[in-house]
Amino acid sequence: AQTVTQSQPEMSVQEAETVTLSCTYDTSESDYYLFWYKQPPSRQMILVIRQEAYKQQNATENRFSVNFQKAAKSFSLKISDSQLGDAAMYFCAYQKTTRGAQKLVFGQGTRLTINP
Amino acid sequence: EAGVAQSPRYKIIEKRQSVAFWCNPISGHATLYWYQQILGQGPKLLIQFQNNGVVDDSQLPKDRFSAERLKGVDSTLKIQPAKLEDSAVYLCASSLRGNSNQPQHFGDGTRLSIL
Repeated sequence: AQTVTQSQPEMSVQEAETVTLSCTYDTSESDYYLFWYKQPPSRQMILVIRQEAYKQQNATENRFSVNFQKAAKSFSLKISDSQLGDAAMYFCAYQKTTRGAQKLVFGQGTRLTINP
Repeated sequence: EAGVAQSPRYKIIEKRQSVAFWCNPISGHATLYWYQQILGQGPKLLIQFQNNGVVDDSQLPKDRFSAERLKGVDSTLKIQPAKLEDSAVYLCASSLRGNSNQPQHFGDGTRLSIL
C-alpha cells in the first residue's frame, strides 16, 4: 500500500523568507501524481502544486516550487518570499488511478506559521 | 465557477443518533469523493463515485456509513448510528473525471462532533 510521510509536524518562518516542507512516499508504481494541498482554518483544501512522476522537470507555481527526487521518493515544497497568507496546514498527497478508482493518499500534514 | 458546496457546516449529535451530510459538486464534474479527516490527520478516502456508480468504497465502514449519488450530481453521506470515533471533518471533493491528471476540488467540509 502507498504511504506518504511528512516528518515535520510544525514549521515556522519569518515573513519574506524561504521555507522548505519535506515529504517522502512509498510506492512500487512508476506512473503516479504528487500534490501539495494547503488547508487554512477555513478547512477548504486548496491545491498548491502538482507533479507528474514521468516529468523530470520540477513543477513551479509563482512562489511555490517542488524538488522531486523520484529515485529517493522525495517530494519537498519550497515557499519563497513567505507571506502571512501562507500560514496553514500543508498536506503532501500521492495519487494513482487503479481500475478506474482515483486514490489520493495524504500525509499527516505540516502546520506552517509565518512570523511577521 | 462555483466550488463544491457542502452542508451543514457544523453538526453536533449524541452517540447512537443518525446524521446526514450533503454535497453538491462543481457543475460537470463526473467524479465525487467523500473523505473523513480526524483531527491532526490527513483526509482519508471513504468512497468515490463515478457519475452515480460506486468506484471504490473499500474504506467505508458499511455497517454504519452509507452514501448515495442519485442522478450523478448531488450526494449524501449518512452515519447511523454514530459512534464517538466518528467525530471528524467530512470533506467532499469532485473532479472532472477519474483520471490521475485531474485535480480534486474540495468543499469546506462538515465538522461533526459526537457527544
